[in-house]
Amino acid sequence: NAGVMQNPRHLVRRRGQEARLRCSPMKGHSHVYWYRQLPEEGLKFMVYLQKENIIDESGMPKERFSAEFPKEGPSILRIQQVVRGDSAAYFCASSPAGKYEQYFGPGTRLTVT
Amino acid sequence: AQKVTQAQTEISVVEKEDVTLDCVYETRDTTYYLFWYKQPPSGELVFLIRRNSFDEQNEISGRYSWNFQKSTSSFNFTITASQVVDSAVYFCALSEAYTGNQFYFGTGTSLTVIP
Repeated sequence: NAGVMQNPRHLVRRRGQEARLRCSPMKGHSHVYWYRQLPEEGLKFMVYLQKENIIDESGMPKERFSAEFPKEGPSILRIQQVVRGDSAAYFCASSPAGKYEQYFGPGTRLTVT
Repeated sequence: AQKVTQAQTEISVVEKEDVTLDCVYETRDTTYYLFWYKQPPSGELVFLIRRNSFDEQNEISGRYSWNFQKSTSSFNFTITASQVVDSAVYFCALSEAYTGNQFYFGTGTSLTVIP
């Protein structure tokens, strides 16, 4: 049973470019969460999605950030017009419906130059 | 307000010493879950333990043990006879049953075990 997959593991973007981070949840999991870890800090919640629905996006910056979890395919976290402050590790977690446990992926380390 | 507080930013111990990592949490929910994760230098998050709010029994797993005390809202983690491989950042996290299940993470404690 494969764990949560995230790709790419490392992503380098220049300021102003777009970053797309992908997350494939564990098989059978219909809930996906995105977290951001800034250097030397803990993880901060960004968004919680179920298939085709955003349930809670209270942790998402209001501009440039968006997330989706389509009926088919991975969840995508999109960052438009990246700035240096977006450099961080982005972790995805998934859980089965109705379960209060989350399984984390290995993270995507975004570097904005 | 910070829901999970890990007051110790960095700890250094000599190999074979015992070390306790503190975690204090804050919640109004009666049903909640507490977690510890290890983040080695490679960066991934390694799940260590999950406890629910109704189970205050202490738990031991090899050299690891956890002390959950609702009276002080604490969920401390002890490593006995520390080893160099224990060097990592350790995060405590809280999940509340009625608030969308997001995890609230502490800021982490960086543990260095000196050989």
